[in-house]
Amino acid sequence: GNSVTQMEGPVTLSEEAFLTINCTYTATGYPSLFWYVQYPGEGLQLLLKATKADDKGSNKGFEATYRKETTSFHLEKGSVQVSDSAVYFCALSSSGNTGKLIFGQGTTLQVKP
Amino acid sequence: EAGVAQSPRYKIIEKRQSVAFWCNPISGHATLYWYQQILGQGPKLLIQFQNNGVVDDSQLPKDRFSAERLKGVDSTLKIQPAKLEDSAVYLCASTISGGETQYFGPGTRLLVL
Repeated sequence: GNSVTQMEGPVTLSEEAFLTINCTYTATGYPSLFWYVQYPGEGLQLLLKATKADDKGSNKGFEATYRKETTSFHLEKGSVQVSDSAVYFCALSSSGNTGKLIFGQGTTLQVKP
Repeated sequence: EAGVAQSPRYKIIEKRQSVAFWCNPISGHATLYWYQQILGQGPKLLIQFQNNGVVDDSQLPKDRFSAERLKGVDSTLKIQPAKLEDSAVYLCASTISGGETQYFGPGTRLLVL
């Protein structure tokens, strides 16, 4: 079945450090891929998405590239801020599916000043 | 534009009691999802509605969980009787028909003692 695997957290970085959160997936067909973020005390919100191979999603300085050959969608940011501290979820929505999202387990990012 | 509304935000009950959660999706969103998010895990789909019809309830524990969306707008999720393992955050999300981006509510945090 379809699944998403994220790197274990928590990830602790100093402000202005480079961030990578790894995400790999298993899916039939051609899924769309998403990164959702959950800030403390808030609901999940879409950070970025990519709908086909080699697409790059980007938002708020975050980027992720849809790599079909490695079935990956790693999240990157060149310089993190304290305000980026949150839980990040990688997810997929399979083609031909009802649209439901399958999530990874989440990765907690803590950025220290 | 108002977001997805959920209530209550928090609920504490004893095992074997019943509980109900309410969700009001974004106006005009035909598709509504209920997810269960257990601590330390990603959200898992419980049930998906398209207007007032069920699209996918394959992961819903039907012996104790039920959900309805009678008029195709707001929805109620019920647990009866609750078990300790039902302690989780229950998330409601909505999207336009055929849309890929799901908009999440703040969630209801349930603790079963």
